[in-house]
Amino acid sequence: ETGVTQTPRHLVMGMTNKKSLKCEQHLGHNAMYWYKQSAKKPLELMFVYNFKEQTENNSVPSRFSPECPNSSHLFLHLHTLQPEDSALYLCASSQARDSEDYEQYFGPGTRLTVT
Amino acid sequence: GQNIDQPTEMTATEGAIVQINCTYQTSGFNGLFWYQQHAGEAPTFLSYNVLDGLEEKGRFSSFLSRSKGYSYLLLKELQMKDSASYLCAVRVRSNDYKLSFGAGTTVTVRA
Repeated sequence: ETGVTQTPRHLVMGMTNKKSLKCEQHLGHNAMYWYKQSAKKPLELMFVYNFKEQTENNSVPSRFSPECPNSSHLFLHLHTLQPEDSALYLCASSQARDSEDYEQYFGPGTRLTVT
Repeated sequence: GQNIDQPTEMTATEGAIVQINCTYQTSGFNGLFWYQQHAGEAPTFLSYNVLDGLEEKGRFSSFLSRSKGYSYLLLKELQMKDSASYLCAVRVRSNDYKLSFGAGTTVTVRA
């Protein structure tokens, strides 16, 4: 595997379900990100981890819970979601947040539908 | 936050040229990225400008004017495979680097 991978690619869940999204990067990066992409809207940054430490939470509801066990893996735990949470969830990685080489590499995303 | 504007949609003919404009208002500007995103796929890096001027990469070129808060992505000799969304993203530096995205421009290439 190369680059940034995400599983599952598609997920349909009810509002009472609990599920997790997984992201893995094989680039040796130290920073990982979760974004939400809704139709016709800018990518919304949700969470940032730098060297496994959460450095940013952009006022994301607590029904989204991130986890970063190491620099290569990032999870997004979902519970009691709302229909408006349906979107494409993108994971990205980069060198450390204070690095000049800051280009972000994206995974293919998980298309989430909340019914 | 950052204010980044780009057109929602553009349509062009195969073989033609299309220019996608992006304007931004920000403090701590530290570079501008363009990404391409095909439907259902990951955004992929196209170009990066941090100094004023034109950067050319094959059929794609990107221009930046920092004083005007303006960039454009130029796609030449359009091909059907260029039909995609093009995202403008601005990097700013405070304590560390942050990347803010525009809503994207959907380009449709017609035969």
